[in-house]
Amino acid sequence: GEEVAQTPKHLVRGEGQKAKLYCAPIKGHSYVFWYQQVLKNEFKFLISFQNENVFDETGMPKERFSAKCLPNSPCSLEIQATKLEDSAVYFCASSRLDGGSRSSPLHFGNGTRLTVT
Amino acid sequence: TQLLEQSPQFLSIQEGENLTVYCNSSSVFSSLQWYRQEPGEGPVLLVTVVTGGEVKKLKRLTFQFGDARKDSSLHITAAQPGDTGLYLCAGPPNAGGTSYGKLTFGQGTILTVHP
Repeated sequence: GEEVAQTPKHLVRGEGQKAKLYCAPIKGHSYVFWYQQVLKNEFKFLISFQNENVFDETGMPKERFSAKCLPNSPCSLEIQATKLEDSAVYFCASSRLDGGSRSSPLHFGNGTRLTVT
Repeated sequence: TQLLEQSPQFLSIQEGENLTVYCNSSSVFSSLQWYRQEPGEGPVLLVTVVTGGEVKKLKRLTFQFGDARKDSSLHITAAQPGDTGLYLCAGPPNAGGTSYGKLTFGQGTILTVHP
């Protein structure tokens, strides 16, 4: 597709429940990035993929967060045993090459708003 | 850790006024990007500045990258209600071999333009 598609748009989970978010990158884009936007609009990098391989996972909380990008499937971000502080908007972005450059910008989806109650 | 400080955090102006948003760091960035984000949507890239001292214009928006590549500004002339949104600056890490998509974002400037 021509846009990064994220589902669901909204997700509500009770504390301790699992949450799974999906992202379909733009066709032909090799890189996928996950960001978390919390209060005061702060964006935090979580993880990036080059095709199905983890490229950089230095932003991922190790204990409860995991992510995958499998061939012919949407990418996913899973949070086991959600906590109140996980409430945020999770954005997926894709780029043709390793993004952040003029020749290969990041294209963001519209995000999934996760509310943990 | 590279940090980007944006100011002001909030800006409320009348249609037709001019404004400037600043993005400052103590670190050198190889490039800086400016995004605009509307409620319920993801950030949309406006411009990337790469060369120190670079000035780029996008209709009524003028972007500058500081000579030392530590700061940038966004100037909007004759603001319109359609300019309302969250403006974010962002930059990639400088260390070689790391992901350029791993952006550091500023805190954002919420701009409201009243008709």
